[in-house]
Amino acid sequence: GQNIDQPTEMTATEGAIVQINCTYQTSGFNGLFWYQQHAGEAPTFLSYNVLDGLEEKGRFSSFLSRSKGYSYLLLKELQMKDSASYLCAVLDSNYQLIWGAGTKLIIKP
Amino acid sequence: GAVVSQHPSRVICKSGTSVKIECRSLDFQATTMFWYRQFPKKSLMLMATSNEGSKATYEQGVEKDKFLINHASLTLSTLTVTSAHPEDSSFYICSASEAGADNQPQHFGDGTRLSIL
Repeated sequence: GQNIDQPTEMTATEGAIVQINCTYQTSGFNGLFWYQQHAGEAPTFLSYNVLDGLEEKGRFSSFLSRSKGYSYLLLKELQMKDSASYLCAVLDSNYQLIWGAGTKLIIKP
Repeated sequence: GAVVSQHPSRVICKSGTSVKIECRSLDFQATTMFWYRQFPKKSLMLMATSNEGSKATYEQGVEKDKFLINHASLTLSTLTVTSAHPEDSSFYICSASEAGADNQPQHFGDGTRLSIL
């Protein structure tokens, strides 16, 4: 079966750095997405990785290792507004998006 | 760019009412739109994939006669919850990808919070 694993919840301090990991086992791979979802709101697109390596976009970076079936989202200089759930999703061989359950990130002052 | 508009944002109605939710891609064409349901503190659950000009593809366990989907144009898909009951209360979210490439990100509407009394 297809499976996406990410931690249920993480806590970090304002101004610090946090890394949210995602491992996947899917039938084929056509890319991995990270989305941010604030409570009560719809998800918003953060990043897309299809090749190995690090993609940097401002305070957020996303890394992919296809051989390890592994990705992480790195958030730097954490702000209180970064408190949200972060969803990892993989596009399988049929271009279907397989969603992780999300990681709830709690930022403390 | 890539804005998806979903309407209404909130519905409160009596049991037995049918509710229609609209999803529009405002600045791009979307041959495929997706309908999700999300319960509190749970991940997104794909209900169906809506294809312009053809029948929607429903996920296992989703009643197609209960959740009617129409994708009449490249910019509009609708989800109708027929004869809604309290157990249908949930957060419904649509998303759309720009036509042209299968690996385009899905852009989400703001969601519709449905409460059935």
